[in-house]
Amino acid sequence: KAGVTQTPRYLIKTRGQQVTLSCSPISGHRSVSWYQQTPGQGLQFLFEYFSETQRNKGNFPGRFSGRQFSNSRSEMNVSTLELGDSALYLCASSWDSPGSAGELFFGEGSRLTVL
Amino acid sequence: AQSVAQPEDQVNVAEGNPLTVKCTYSVSGNPYLFWYVQYPNRGLQFLLKYITGDNLVKGSYGFEAEFNKSQTSFHLKKPSALVSDSALYFCAVRDVRYKLSFGAGTTVTVRA
Repeated sequence: KAGVTQTPRYLIKTRGQQVTLSCSPISGHRSVSWYQQTPGQGLQFLFEYFSETQRNKGNFPGRFSGRQFSNSRSEMNVSTLELGDSALYLCASSWDSPGSAGELFFGEGSRLTVL
Repeated sequence: AQSVAQPEDQVNVAEGNPLTVKCTYSVSGNPYLFWYVQYPNRGLQFLLKYITGDNLVKGSYGFEAEFNKSQTSFHLKKPSALVSDSALYFCAVRDVRYKLSFGAGTTVTVRA
């Protein structure tokens, strides 16, 4: 069974640009979550989508947005990039059905560097 | 709101010695608790979980965790550490909306 796939793995942008990151969950998983990881702030929850609807949202500005498609694939977008947006962006999927523990399965991440 | 705390930023042990990584939690209701490990420049890998039942949970790579309700703790343990266990370890708790909250992480270094 294929794991969670994130693309691109690495990317470099300049301030003011925008970026779109993609995530393909494990087959059959309907929930996709996004996290930002930085050395100073640790793992910060961005948002979670379930069946194309945003179900949970973290405390990030509106420049950070996401969506989920009918095949459960998800994208996140960051507009007007700032230097502080440099981070590892992690996507995770879960089975998320009644009775399941809801453990997350993570992709390898997309490393964004903003210059 | 639920939360977890990992009181140690770093844990250093010699290979072959027992390894313990501490985690305490705060949650209303029954806790769903998890441990993850992250190797450099990689995503997080699921190690084990506690939902209900036995207080000692066994997971991947020889790791186990002990759930203690009275102390609200969920410490990760390995009887004999390997150099390859050197990594960043995260404890997490799930809320009723399936959202996981992670601790700050503990860096484990196992010296040969």
